[in-house]
Amino acid sequence: EAEVAQSPRYKITEKSQAVAFWCDPISGHATLYWYRQILGQGPELLVQFQDESVVDDSQLPKDRFSAERLKGVDSTLKIQPAELGDSAMYLCASSPVGGGYQETQYFGPGTRLLVL
Amino acid sequence: AQKVTQAQTEISVVEKEDVTLDCVYETRDTTYYLFWYKQPPSGELVFLIRRNSFDEQNEISGRYSWNFQKSTSSFNFTITASQVVDSAVYFCALSEDNAGNMLTFGGGTRLMVKP
Repeated sequence: EAEVAQSPRYKITEKSQAVAFWCDPISGHATLYWYRQILGQGPELLVQFQDESVVDDSQLPKDRFSAERLKGVDSTLKIQPAELGDSAMYLCASSPVGGGYQETQYFGPGTRLLVL
Repeated sequence: AQKVTQAQTEISVVEKEDVTLDCVYETRDTTYYLFWYKQPPSGELVFLIRRNSFDEQNEISGRYSWNFQKSTSSFNFTITASQVVDSAVYFCALSEDNAGNMLTFGGGTRLMVKP
């Protein structure tokens, strides 16, 4: 069964350092999402891509976060500089062509980030 | 604005008991989708079910069943004869027609099934 791949699974970094997370969606899925999940809460959308274009990044803290999906396939989420409050699980999800509201999103295993 | 509330933050049951997880949502749209996801300790969100706002039929899948009631804006999830492997955090989520495919999640309910 096709899955969303993410790496690394765990990342420990120090405050003010740069970190990057990678996501490879299910093959053929045009829409890709990055979510942040703080411990004990539900995931919150950071950014949504349709192919290589950003559809929604209204919740992305653009002063320190950036996301790209250059060839419309895999994606990278970067934080620079990392702050203590960025400690969370970062989840990537993908959905089929169109990315309409009714499409089911399939999630990867996530990257657990700890900022010291 | 859309909102999903899962009032039960944590539920503990003994194996073989039935358990219901509550989900209440708020939306101004007449067209929307509701979802349930399971998050085991490994962290991955596992898709369980999708239901559109025009289909109020209850659904059963094995030991899982879902009760959708538009009149009370609820989409509750019942596990029959719970098992230890059901232990996880369960999230209810909403996707509105006017919000693209953005999922709004509830805060989750942690279910602990004890042997």
